[in-house]
Amino acid sequence: KAGVTQTPRYLIKTRGQQVTLSCSPISGHRSVSWYQQTPGQGLQFLFEYFSETQRNKGNFPGRFSGRQFSNSRSEMNVSTLELGDSALYLCASSAGTSGRREQFFGPGTRLTVL
Amino acid sequence: GQQLNQSPQSMFIQEGEDVSMNCTSSSIFNTWLWYKQDPGEGPVLLIALYKAGELTSNGRLTAQFGITRKDSFLNISASIPSDVGIYFCAGPSGTYKYIFGTGTRLKVLA
Repeated sequence: KAGVTQTPRYLIKTRGQQVTLSCSPISGHRSVSWYQQTPGQGLQFLFEYFSETQRNKGNFPGRFSGRQFSNSRSEMNVSTLELGDSALYLCASSAGTSGRREQFFGPGTRLTVL
Repeated sequence: GQQLNQSPQSMFIQEGEDVSMNCTSSSIFNTWLWYKQDPGEGPVLLIALYKAGELTSNGRLTAQFGITRKDSFLNISASIPSDVGIYFCAGPSGTYKYIFGTGTRLKVLA
């Protein structure tokens, strides 16, 4: 089974721009979660989608948004980029049901904001 | 944001030694996940814990709930150079959300 894939792997943007990141979960997984990882704050939860619905959201400003498509692929968007948005953005997929709740991560997208 | 506390923060060990690290929370968890992350990569799931009182193993790795279920322990036996990396614990926080530990950085001296 193929793992979680994320594109692109690296991005460089300037302040004020917007960016869209993509995540394809493991086949059969319907839940996709997004995390931001920085040296200072560690891994912070952004949001989780299941069957195209956002089920939970972390404590991030509205500039961070996401969506999920009917094939479970997900995108996250960051508008009006700030220097502090530079981070590794990780996507994790899981079956999303109440049973075993393991999350499997993709390789991440490294975003640098200049 | 909320995080779990991991200790030690970092450790140097000799190849062949056993390693133990732990993770603590202010809440009782019914699930603990342990991950390893290499530089520039996403975390890789090592062990998932669902049943308090039982040891769960994955090769040289063993993990278990703490007595209060507010903590968890990960042990690595006979460490090898490729065990180098950052180890994270994670636990469910509310519905459909995980919080992660601060990480333990492991360095193995050959």
